[in-house]
Amino acid sequence: KQEVTQIPAALSVPEGENLVLNCSFTDSAIYNLQWFRQDPGKGLTSLLLIQSSQREQTSGRLNASLDKSSGRSTLYIAASQPGDSATYLCAVRHNYGQNFVFGPGTRLSVLP
Amino acid sequence: DTGVSQDPRHKITKRGQNVTFRCDPISEHNRLYWYRQTLGQGPEFLTYFQNEAQLEKSRLLSDRFSAERPKGSFSTLEIQRTEQGDSAMYLCASSAQGFTDEQYFGPGTRLTVT
Repeated sequence: KQEVTQIPAALSVPEGENLVLNCSFTDSAIYNLQWFRQDPGKGLTSLLLIQSSQREQTSGRLNASLDKSSGRSTLYIAASQPGDSATYLCAVRHNYGQNFVFGPGTRLSVLP
Repeated sequence: DTGVSQDPRHKITKRGQNVTFRCDPISEHNRLYWYRQTLGQGPEFLTYFQNEAQLEKSRLLSDRFSAERPKGSFSTLEIQRTEQGDSAMYLCASSAQGFTDEQYFGPGTRLTVT
């Protein structure tokens, strides 16, 4: 059974810092991995999707990497802003199904 | 295209009542998913449709839960005889069958069972 964990559970940083969020998964037979952002009481916004054959994806200040063999992904946020404050979730889709298995999320606070 | 929409956004019901939620996916997406999210946790998969066929169901989807997608467009999720433990955010997502199969989520329906 696929299990996804995220470290840290919560993070508070001053504005302008670069930061890294970590995601680990137990079964490396994945199809893809997707990073989402969730604001309080809202739905999920897709940030980046990495296919199993890819090593990283970039969008603006965000960069996500994938090391399938070690079961890890990282989300790098450059020059953080207060508007980045949210919960960040990683989700893994395995090869033998359509659904995502989500991690519990990292709650990020960027202080002005 | 306005993205995935869900209705209602909030529902308060008394224990034992039945509730029904609706999800309208992105128009060209043939895959539709339901997830449940409790406070402080990541979403948990409930069920998945490809067109009108329900192809996967989680063990979380007890006999009191039923989902339909009658014409392969919108979907409904019904909970019968609600319990306090059903209180959660119910999220719908859709995707287009293809290489990336990227899932796009709606705003969710927050259910409170009193």
